[in-house]
Parts: sequence; structure tokens; C-alpha cells
Amino acid sequence: AQKVTQAQTEISVVEKEDVTLDCVYETRDTTYYLFWYKQPPSGELVFLIRRNSFDEQNEISGRYSWNFQKSTSSFNFTITASQVVDSAVYFCALSPSYNTNAGKSTFGDGTTLTVKP
Amino acid sequence: NAGVTQTPKFQVLKTGQSMTLQCAQDMNHEYMSWYRQDPGMGLRLIHYSVGAGITDQGEVPNGYNVSRSTTEDFPLRLLSAAPSQTSVYFCASSYSFRGTDTQYFGPGTRLTVL
Repeated sequence: AQKVTQAQTEISVVEKEDVTLDCVYETRDTTYYLFWYKQPPSGELVFLIRRNSFDEQNEISGRYSWNFQKSTSSFNFTITASQVVDSAVYFCALSPSYNTNAGKSTFGDGTTLTVKP
Repeated sequence: NAGVTQTPKFQVLKTGQSMTLQCAQDMNHEYMSWYRQDPGMGLRLIHYSVGAGITDQGEVPNGYNVSRSTTEDFPLRLLSAAPSQTSVYFCASSYSFRGTDTQYFGPGTRLTVL
């Protein structure tokens, strides 16, 4: 069985602070994919990143960066110099890559990030 | 492309009523799925389809029925609505069913069962 844990239910920061959202996962699969999604107050879900379990390189996209550590089963997300527009619920998700279980993404409960001006 | 569309956006039902939530995509995606999102929780997979004519159950399938007669459409049927089915429902699609493919989500349907 798969499980994704986002221990931080809510985080509040002041604009321009850096913030890290934690994600810890459990899976018996040797090959899997990890995702981060953003859900702004408007409610839609926005895909942010996908990471293959074979690729442990960190990734940076503008103010966003992701740290994948297979040894600790973690896939943490850092926002540098946070902005008010970053306020949203962020979800970490795990998906097996085997065809027989394809598409059965497991989501964490989400972390609500509030960035105050 | 309109992407993934869902109708209706809001719906109120009485216990025992049935209804169908519509989902359509115009990206020729093979894989489609339905999730529900309850307050303070992540998404939970209800049903999914890897192509026309093929559907399978997800994590929380009870009380829901699906069919996939075309590539474009993947309706979700509530057979006899219950208050426990009050939730926001998201439809998603991707090019294939592999984890490599980005899932595109619809705007959601907010359902209240009284």
C-alpha cells in the first residue's frame, strides 16, 4: 500500500521568507513517481513537478526547488522569497509506474501555506 | 483546447437521489480518473479508465458507477446519494496511464447531499 504524509497542516510566513513543505512517502514499488500540485483559493489543481524515483537530482524552477532523497523517502518543496500569490494548499502525490496499478495516485492531505504581506 | 471540463459546477441533492457528474476532455487523452476531495484532505481516487471501454476501481468506489464509451467522456454516476458523498469532485486526464504523464484536472464539481 502507498502512503503520503504531509505532516505540516498549516504554515504561515511573511512575504520574502523562504519556506519548505515536507513530504514523506511509503511504497513497496521500486519504480514510482512523485508529484507536487498547487491548489490556490480558486480551487483548481495545478501541476508543479513530477519526479522519477530513479532521478535523485534536485530541481530548481525559478523560486521553486525540490529535494528528493530516496534514503529518507522524502520529496520536499522549497519556495524561496515567498510571495502572497504563493498562498495555496500544496499537495504531494505518489504514483506507481507499473501498468497494473497505473494511475492509482495517492495524495497527501495537503499543507496550507499562507504568505502574509 | 478546452482542456478538461466538468458540469455542473455546483449541485445540491437530497438523500437517495441519483445524478451524473459529467467530465469531458478534448486532448485525446487515454487515461481519465475521478477523485473526491473532502475538507482538509487530499484527493482520493474513485474510479479510473485507461481507455474507452475499460474502467477500474480506485480507493473509494462504493456508491459510484462509471462508464467510458468514448475517449472524450467519462461520466460519474451517484446511484443513491448519501450525505457522506458531500465533497468536491475532480476529473482528471492524461495522455496515458503511466506516472510519467502530467494529469490535467477539471475545475471541480462541488456536491452537497442533504
